[in-house]
Amino acid sequence: EVQLVESGGGLVQPGRSLKLSCAASGFTFSNYYMAWVRQAPKKGLEWVATISTSGSRTYYPDSVKGRFTISRDNAKSSLYLQMNSLKSEDTATYYCARMIYGGSNYFDYWGQGVMVTVSS
Amino acid sequence: EIVLTQSPTTTAASPGEKVTITCLASSSVSNMYWYQQKSGASPKLLIYSTSSLASGVPDRFSGSGSGTSYSLTINTMEAEDAATYYCQQWSSNPWTFGGGTKLELK
Repeated sequence: EVQLVESGGGLVQPGRSLKLSCAASGFTFSNYYMAWVRQAPKKGLEWVATISTSGSRTYYPDSVKGRFTISRDNAKSSLYLQMNSLKSEDTATYYCARMIYGGSNYFDYWGQGVMVTVSS
Repeated sequence: EIVLTQSPTTTAASPGEKVTITCLASSSVSNMYWYQQKSGASPKLLIYSTSSLASGVPDRFSGSGSGTSYSLTINTMEAEDAATYYCQQWSSNPWTFGGGTKLELK
């Protein structure tokens, strides 16, 4: 059974940093692209970052480019999101998601999510 | 950036009723993907590549469309289908989602 378990969320002041983690199990982690998707309170979904199987390629939308860094440790089956220079608009539930990448690009399994609140 | 516009924003259906949700893209996309999110839960993949059902999804769900217009249909509404539904495209970076359609049980 595919399981994705996020951790590391919490309350952080604007301008500070936070690092999220996602522990994966139930599949061969190193064979899949992985992603982070967020959802602001009572809002829709927003893609945040994607990383290739080896970690050599990363993709971001303009809203977080230069502030967020996605990384992975295939030996530990773990995904990370380093978030710097946090803003109030980064307040959201952050989901770790497994990606199907190639002919089609979509998110086939999602974690339960971790809440990040940016506030003074 | 390709903007996805879903309609309706909110709707309600009685058990057994047919429901159709539309997703319009600001530019042509090659395929559409649909997710279901129940209250307090994480999103779940429903349909991939426009019309293929994800594993375990009941066959009362179906997807169709092409170009800039796509739709998700629930053939016969059941109580467990009450949720918010999102479309998603990947044809161009950034990957984007529609604003969501909240489906309530009447």
